[in-house]
Amino acid sequence: DIVMTQSPDSLAVSLGERATIKCKSSQSVLYSSNNKNYLAWYQQRPGQPPKLLIYWASTRESGVPDRFSGSGSGTDFTLTISSLQAEDVAVYYCQQYYTTPYSFGQGTKLEIK
Amino acid sequence: EVQLVESGGGLEQPGGSLRLSCAASGFTFSNYAMSWVRQAPGKGLEWVSTISGSDDSTYYADSVKGRFTISRDNSKNTLYLQMNSLGAEDTAVYYCAKDILITPVGRFDYWGQGALVTVSS
Repeated sequence: DIVMTQSPDSLAVSLGERATIKCKSSQSVLYSSNNKNYLAWYQQRPGQPPKLLIYWASTRESGVPDRFSGSGSGTDFTLTISSLQAEDVAVYYCQQYYTTPYSFGQGTKLEIK
Repeated sequence: EVQLVESGGGLEQPGGSLRLSCAASGFTFSNYAMSWVRQAPGKGLEWVSTISGSDDSTYYADSVKGRFTISRDNSKNTLYLQMNSLGAEDTAVYYCAKDILITPVGRFDYWGQGALVTVSS
């Protein structure tokens, strides 16, 4: 099974500043036949279901603000929020969909400093 | 507008059974694989099970294999999760989630609001 590990577990950032969350997979989620990383990022606001933000490691879902960006390949990935807004307070999860069992990171709680 | 509405949650005793339902609307249900993902209180997300759009392939997490059964009725646009031999470790909010293709990809673009299952005596 692929284990996803996020860092940090929690993060406090000032409004307008950059937030960076890391995600590491225990094995590569890069599928060589199509050169795609099977890695997604989700945002879960308090009391809400998760929302898909990023897929293929770096493609924004429709309607997601461009301050959210994803990068990385293989086993190391990053979610960056370029300028933190109040509505970005949430828990963020990375997820691999390379193979079952699909697995999520433990989550990173993002708060306002 | 895509909508996923879970129902059937509640309080059940250890060893008991529950069946969750997820009513889907706003998209052609049979064209998409569907999944259940759960979240224990105050914890992270755990994938539980996936079924293909044509109902011919199912997948389970080891933690529920042999106890839970995923199914769907494409004529009723409804996804199900039959949960047997429930234990305290199954206490969680269960989310119904839509996949992006008829065959499972494992990427979930829409989620329901969730149904709370509590297993306790």
